[in-house]
Amino acid sequence: NAGVTQTPKFQVLKTGQSMTLQCAQDMNHEYMSWYRQDPGMGLRLIHYSVGAGITDQGEVPNGYNVSRSTTEDFPLRLLSAAPSQTSVYFCASSRTDRENTGELFFGEGSRLTVL
Amino acid sequence: LAKTTQPISMDSYEGQEVNITCSHNNIATNDYITWYQQFPSQGPRFIIQGYKTKVTNEVASLFIPADRKSSTLSLPRVSLSDTAVYYCLVGDSSLGNNRLAFGKGNQVVVIP
Repeated sequence: NAGVTQTPKFQVLKTGQSMTLQCAQDMNHEYMSWYRQDPGMGLRLIHYSVGAGITDQGEVPNGYNVSRSTTEDFPLRLLSAAPSQTSVYFCASSRTDRENTGELFFGEGSRLTVL
Repeated sequence: LAKTTQPISMDSYEGQEVNITCSHNNIATNDYITWYQQFPSQGPRFIIQGYKTKVTNEVASLFIPADRKSSTLSLPRVSLSDTAVYYCLVGDSSLGNNRLAFGKGNQVVVIP
């Protein structure tokens, strides 16, 4: 198993450009989520999904869109990038049931710079 | 969702035991306490999870008092490679830990 795979690892955008950060997991996890992490800050939840076709907003959803058409993929879209979206983005997945810890498995991160 | 409070940072000497505390006064009956570790330029990694009393695995121990309003992560005989940020999360894991807030965590620096 590859676990959680994020692409690209690095990206530079100009203000106003759009792009999609890709996230894929091969563990058949129901839950997937996107976080952003800024210097000296913890991880802040952007959007999450509890299964294919179901998404919801986290703490900081503005400026980001998500969709979950398959169990494996959970892309994060920036429709019009702003310098405030310069950050490191982490995708995570987990399975949940009463016998499971709900452990989150994270990708390696995608470092985005918006000029 | 229960909010957690942790110290911002702490230093420890190599070989010592490190105890990291977390306050969660509003913990709910169904909530579990989960700790993660994050190294620079990496995503967080699960360390341990508990509900009450004491849980131990090959990496750490987790102590939870009877009122469950706080918890302590204990790292035995730390090494330089244990320098990381440690996060305490509280919530009902069956609802998905991916909805929980990580907060700023506790930066632990291990000194030679």
